[in-house]
Amino acid sequence: SQQGEEDPQALSIQEGENATMNCSYKTSINNLQWYRQNSGRGLVHLILIRSNEREKHSGRLRVTLDTSKKSSSLLITASRAADTASYFCATDTFNAGGTSYGKLTFGQGTILTVHP
Amino acid sequence: EAQVTQNPRYLITVTGKKLTVTCSQNMNHEYMSWYRQDPGLGLRQIYYSMNVEVTDKGDVPEGYKVSRKEKRNFPLILESPSPNQTSLYFCASSFAPGGVPSTDTQYFGPGTRLTVL
Repeated sequence: SQQGEEDPQALSIQEGENATMNCSYKTSINNLQWYRQNSGRGLVHLILIRSNEREKHSGRLRVTLDTSKKSSSLLITASRAADTASYFCATDTFNAGGTSYGKLTFGQGTILTVHP
Repeated sequence: EAQVTQNPRYLITVTGKKLTVTCSQNMNHEYMSWYRQDPGLGLRQIYYSMNVEVTDKGDVPEGYKVSRKEKRNFPLILESPSPNQTSLYFCASSFAPGGVPSTDTQYFGPGTRLTVL
């Protein structure tokens, strides 16, 4: 099964509303990233949060991380039609030496549709 | 322009006919990786490379080979493609801060849509 699982699978909102997507994972992580994918195109990195951080902001994006619940949420405020895309979380785990194993695990994604 | 390029972008082939999908990045990134994307399954990692001459299996390596002879290139080889390898393939790369390979902030190529008949 996937390390990261997004919820909901699909979200439909009106322009100006906020969109919240959740990601749950199973094993301990060292960081969690969120990516956006426009229909069939390459993914674009949005934001990264490390395991010792609880909240991070970037423009209209707000990411939270709760390691005790093994979950993260991505909030997009004041959404725009251009935010319509699929959003994926991805998790990485470090080895005992503090470096990445190199294995990045993606969830199945949330499809966000923002209506003008 | 900093980018990851993949070729071809679209490919229709037949079962058993060897093919190579090329991936090249111009950002001097140490880490490179291949993923496949299938409906309902998200992205799954096929192989990754922490640096030149270092490659490791991801979650779904069966039926694929890779090589990393140069830092900028990371080709994906399907020796004997089968219909279950029909998928959308992405190559990605990332920088190694302090020389330590990292999966942080991956740059993705545009994708290669492969159909195996």
